[in-house]
Amino acid sequence: SAVISQKPSRDICQRGTSLTIQCQVDSQVTMMFWYRQQPGQSLTLIATANQGSEATYESGFVIDKFPISRPNLTFSTLTVSNMSPEDSSIYLCSVYSPSESYEQYFGPGTRLTVT
Amino acid sequence: GENVEQHPSTLSVQEGDSAVIKCTYSDSASNYFPWYKQELGKRPQLIIDIRSNVGEKKDQRIAVTLNKTAKHFSLHITETQPEDSAVYFCAAPAASGTYKYIFGTGTRLKVLA
Repeated sequence: SAVISQKPSRDICQRGTSLTIQCQVDSQVTMMFWYRQQPGQSLTLIATANQGSEATYESGFVIDKFPISRPNLTFSTLTVSNMSPEDSSIYLCSVYSPSESYEQYFGPGTRLTVT
Repeated sequence: GENVEQHPSTLSVQEGDSAVIKCTYSDSASNYFPWYKQELGKRPQLIIDIRSNVGEKKDQRIAVTLNKTAKHFSLHITETQPEDSAVYFCAAPAASGTYKYIFGTGTRLKVLA
């Protein structure tokens, strides 16, 4: 499976600021996904990041709040904009590659606390 | 779109006993069902999956069964060990033909030594 890293691993931010989270994969992957996991909760898909096209957002998530970049097949960023305490969560990227069939693998996550 | 329900939310078993976690899904066209294990502070790890063309898959102490008619699939862990303690999530495709997942709400499994 792909080796996935995320930066930063954790951060504490002031409300009203923005944080950009990076996801790096050691091989080329067709699709990358960004999830949010609120404390003690399940995983909720924020958006699908496809190289060469705009990200596709799920219901309840908008580009102005969560802009995503996907400049190449091994890298993506998620920005959490104008943060509020409700944005305190773990943010995870995951990757899917046709060579792995339907299997998806997750990055280690970024633990964000907004004060 | 798909809807996934997972039960129970918590499960405590004695070491050596079996544990069963069940998920139901709504879209009869769904064709792939993974199970993830998430230990405290760690990322979700894919532990087993099943495709809709088989009814059961086994990997050592873990197995997954699929009942397409009833639209449910279950994770079975036999001879449980303390290191099996974690939160387990099932998932299903968000819609037919997509690679996005909808996750269940999770089951916190505690194996008592």
